[in-house]
Amino acid sequence: QKEVEQNSGPLSVPEGAIASLNCTYSDRGSQSFFWYRQYSGKSPELIMSIYSNGDKEDGRFTAQLNKASQYVSLLIRDSQPSDSATYLCAANTDKLIFGTGTRLQVFP
Amino acid sequence: GAVVSQHPSRVICKSGTSVKIECRSLDFQATTMFWYRQFPKQSLMLMATSNEGSKATYEQGVEKDKFLINHASLTLSTLTVTSAHPEDSSFYICSARPGGPTGELFFGEGSRLTVL
Repeated sequence: QKEVEQNSGPLSVPEGAIASLNCTYSDRGSQSFFWYRQYSGKSPELIMSIYSNGDKEDGRFTAQLNKASQYVSLLIRDSQPSDSATYLCAANTDKLIFGTGTRLQVFP
Repeated sequence: GAVVSQHPSRVICKSGTSVKIECRSLDFQATTMFWYRQFPKQSLMLMATSNEGSKATYEQGVEKDKFLINHASLTLSTLTVTSAHPEDSSFYICSARPGGPTGELFFGEGSRLTVL
């Protein structure tokens, strides 16, 4: 069964720190990977997509992919209280499979 | 990013009634749309893939006669929860992918269904 695993958290970091979110996936055939942010009661919002090994940076966000280790991560620099949300990792083969999400809390 | 709109955002209904949820792609054509369900504190679970002009593909364990999906145009898919029961109360979210099968998935606002 294809799975995406995430630590449920909560991950608590102080404002201004780096938040590191991790994800592993089971299907080696996965071709694309995504990070979504979901605020309570809202639908997911796309943060980052990554398709090849290495790092991809977009503003304060950096996604990292290591296909050999089947590992995806998201770094959030200069974390803000408004970043407090659940972060969903997703891996795509014939369909998009979501992890259970990691709850991030950024405290002032 | 692409815009996917969903309506209604909230619906409360009595047990035994049917509820229809609409999902529209506003700035692109979507031959395929996806319907997810999310229970509190759980992740998104794919219910079915909606295919324009053909039958939807349902995930294992999802009753196709209970969750009717119609994808009549390239911009509209509907999910009808028939004979809803309290256990169907959930957050239903549609999504679409403008960029092909490996591309980014964009979500509608979600519809919170409460069945009394």
